[in-house]
Amino acid sequence: GAGVSQTPSNKVTEKGKYVELRCDPISGHTALYWYRQSLGQGPEFLIYFQGTGAADDSGLPNDRFFAVRPEGSVSTLKIQRTERGDSAVYLCASSLTLAANTGELFFGEGSRLTVL
Amino acid sequence: AQSVAQPEDQVNVAEGNPLTVKCTYSVSGNPYLFWYVQYPNRGLQFLLKYITGDNLVKGSYGFEAEFNKSQTSFHLKKPSALVSDSALYFCAVRGGDMRFGAGTRLTVKP
Repeated sequence: GAGVSQTPSNKVTEKGKYVELRCDPISGHTALYWYRQSLGQGPEFLIYFQGTGAADDSGLPNDRFFAVRPEGSVSTLKIQRTERGDSAVYLCASSLTLAANTGELFFGEGSRLTVL
Repeated sequence: AQSVAQPEDQVNVAEGNPLTVKCTYSVSGNPYLFWYVQYPNRGLQFLLKYITGDNLVKGSYGFEAEFNKSQTSFHLKKPSALVSDSALYFCAVRGGDMRFGAGTRLTVKP
């Protein structure tokens, strides 16, 4: 597709379960970003990839959160032992790698995670 | 550390009136500033950006933003608001990643 694709669009799980959220970026975009957005708040940075490697994972809240991008395209955000506080919309974005980081990010529609 | 602040949670304007949504920034080095809009249950859509050059930047849907270095501001503006402009607006600053403000909810009333 032409845009950033995220699956699933909605995920309901029980506390303590494991969850995977997938992001398929725009073809040719080398940079990929994960954000978390709670209701009424701005997107909170989690991690970003440049190619296959995590360039900055300082936003991951704890070691229950992990993300991979093994082939430099699709990325998976993994959450272990989910807690009710993990409930949020998880946004993925991608961008071209331009000099001095001047490019805009293109966002997917998000994956809404609800932990019961 | 780079950051932006949006001092207003909510802005209300009447249709046809000009609108301003405020943003201030704090960066070390050159500021790369962005505005995004979010409609209900949707992802963020890019509106415009300032990288260098003219302080007045024009973007999508008739929006523009004015970069002011002395006031460290990057306010979003539109000369004549539409009801369909009602949405959540986010200011952002780019380094390696992109950091967003808390957002301003714009309501345009008929």
